[in-house]
Amino acid sequence: GAVVSQHPSRVICKSGTSVKIECRSLDFQATTMFWYRQFPKKSLMLMATSNEGSKATYEQGVEKDKFLINHASLTLSTLTVTSAHPEDSSFYICSAGQGLNEQFFGPGTRLTVL
Amino acid sequence: DAKTTQPPSMDCAEGRAANLPCNHSTISGNEYVYWYRQIHSQGPQYIIHGLKNNETNEMASLIITEDRKSSTLILPHATLRDTAVYYCIVRVSGAGSYQLTFGKGTKLSVIP
Repeated sequence: GAVVSQHPSRVICKSGTSVKIECRSLDFQATTMFWYRQFPKKSLMLMATSNEGSKATYEQGVEKDKFLINHASLTLSTLTVTSAHPEDSSFYICSAGQGLNEQFFGPGTRLTVL
Repeated sequence: DAKTTQPPSMDCAEGRAANLPCNHSTISGNEYVYWYRQIHSQGPQYIIHGLKNNETNEMASLIITEDRKSSTLILPHATLRDTAVYYCIVRVSGAGSYQLTFGKGTKLSVIP
């Protein structure tokens, strides 16, 4: 199947700093990428849908100014957590699709905010 | 998208078949049944999907009832590496640009 990568896999940062997470589709062009967040022992919650070349669509309750999403190319989407706080500590996962019946998920990024 | 109901947890002996049920009584005619799994601290992995016919691939088999109100994912010979949370999701067919809505899934524990 298609491969989606995320970088970094783990990041620890101080409260108030910003963190950028990259999501790449390695062997296919993804017109749509999704960003999910998963808290411990909980299911994945969709944060936003990112379409190449247009603004992301955020789910209710997700602050667009705090979670900046850029989908500048068909193989790269980035999520920037701005002014991170301890409650933003979570497992962030992206997925990508392109006219396929299944989405492919990245391995996830573990964010810890001290 | 239709809602699904899965048991919160199941155990299976290593080497035996694991049968994971899913109820989706409100599924619409144009909605497919998808199965994903998530091994601890990893991203979800696609397993299989189907509309109304039974499906089989190298990972699993999917059995969908004739009325499409329920389905069963079958892992024919479970191994310890199959220990994961399994998610049954129903959504409209077509492009991968459709979002997936994850429920709580079934935590499958394969026991030696």
